[in-house]
Amino acid sequence: EDQVTQSPEALRLQEGESSSLNCSYTVSGLRGLFWYRQDPGKGPEFLFTLYSAGEEKEKERLKATLTKKESFLHITAPKPEDSATYLCAVQGNSNYQLIWGAGTKLIIKP
Amino acid sequence: DGGITQSPKYLFRKEGQNVTLSCEQNLNHDAMYWYRQDPGQGLRLIYYSQIVNDFQKGDIAEGYSVSREKKESFPLTVTSAQKNPTAFYLCARRTTSTDTQYFGPGTRLTVL
Repeated sequence: EDQVTQSPEALRLQEGESSSLNCSYTVSGLRGLFWYRQDPGKGPEFLFTLYSAGEEKEKERLKATLTKKESFLHITAPKPEDSATYLCAVQGNSNYQLIWGAGTKLIIKP
Repeated sequence: DGGITQSPKYLFRKEGQNVTLSCEQNLNHDAMYWYRQDPGQGLRLIYYSQIVNDFQKGDIAEGYSVSREKKESFPLTVTSAQKNPTAFYLCARRTTSTDTQYFGPGTRLTVL
């Protein structure tokens, strides 16, 4: 069965304290792994798509990496405005549906 | 807004009533999706549509209905048969070149 597990559920960091969020997945033939950021009461905002193991993508203080079993979202020297829930989703080769994780709530304290 | 507009932002419904949530896209994409989001859970797929006049049930379609008469519009009706409709509803469009889904701002539905 295809599934996505994100950890931790919540992460509290001091401003400037770097860390990583984890997305473990099981899927029949990975077509793509997607990271989104969601602020309270708003729709998810697209961040990255990763297609194959070894691929990395960066955007400002965020860097996403991918292996055959998991993806990491590394956040370097975070600022309070990086506080949000980060969602991970995977798409298998069988259809165009995404399988979603429950998200990691990131809180950055000034 | 990711090229997707949803209305209204907040919606209140009395038990036994049907309500329709609007979703419009202006980027000429074929595929559109409806999700439901509850606290502490991942997004769950309600319905999706790949082309006009065609749509498929997702994992939690019971108590919901959709139509796709125009490419740019994909409204969702929450019927009285949906036993627990209070949730945050999200509409998305998918780009065929990258399979990326882009979301609208969402509609929060509350049953009184």
